Amino acid sequence: DAGITQSPRHKVTETGTPVTLRCHQTENHRYMYWYRQDPGHGLRLIHYSYGVKDTDKGEVSDGYSVSRSKTEDFLLTLESATSSQTSVYFCAISGRLAEQETQYFGPGTRLLVL
Amino acid sequence: SQKIEQNSEALNIQEGKTATLTCNYTNYSPAYLQWYRQDPGRGPVFLLLIRENEKEKRKERLKVTFDTTLKQSLFHITASQPADSATYLCALVHGSGNTGKLIFGQGTTLQVKP
Repeated sequence: DAGITQSPRHKVTETGTPVTLRCHQTENHRYMYWYRQDPGHGLRLIHYSYGVKDTDKGEVSDGYSVSRSKTEDFLLTLESATSSQTSVYFCAISGRLAEQETQYFGPGTRLLVL
Repeated sequence: SQKIEQNSEALNIQEGKTATLTCNYTNYSPAYLQWYRQDPGRGPVFLLLIRENEKEKRKERLKVTFDTTLKQSLFHITASQPADSATYLCALVHGSGNTGKLIFGQGTTLQVKP
């Protein structure tokens, strides 16, 4: 998985609790992304980062926030988890912008919100 | 509205035959298109990238075509093997510069029977 780890790999939580997912890379890639994958919707971009402290919203950013204080770490936070955020979350990295470079994905985090 | 569509029905073929998967898009003008493979419980893995000025790209048993007039890409696996069974995702870039992002189709599941 191209030097990308995600933690935790599985999590069960209750509605209304905060949840933070971590993505860690050892490739020193500039760009990092968070996606969610749901049946019938495919992969959808939540947030992405084009450098330390530089982040932007994706297609489905409501209810999510991100932070990137170091090149290697990109955190995704669900401030108050809802059942609609039950999903599989993937982190991805790329060396340059998606325009010229492929993305490498982590193993995913399976999140269940009860 | 903008759409990227892949056949949601699984494709079942016999070992040794050629599998052909389709990716259609509307209201996008991507500079390039990518194909990824995803196995159950794992993150997508990059396979091929084809640019708008390329009609065809090959890699071993894989071949991708890109028709910007038809707004369609075809993905072929020749001499298919049971190990090729997986879900295949197409993705195109939307936007440019720091706003360039990959948009994924929902994927087509390929099942190769021995």
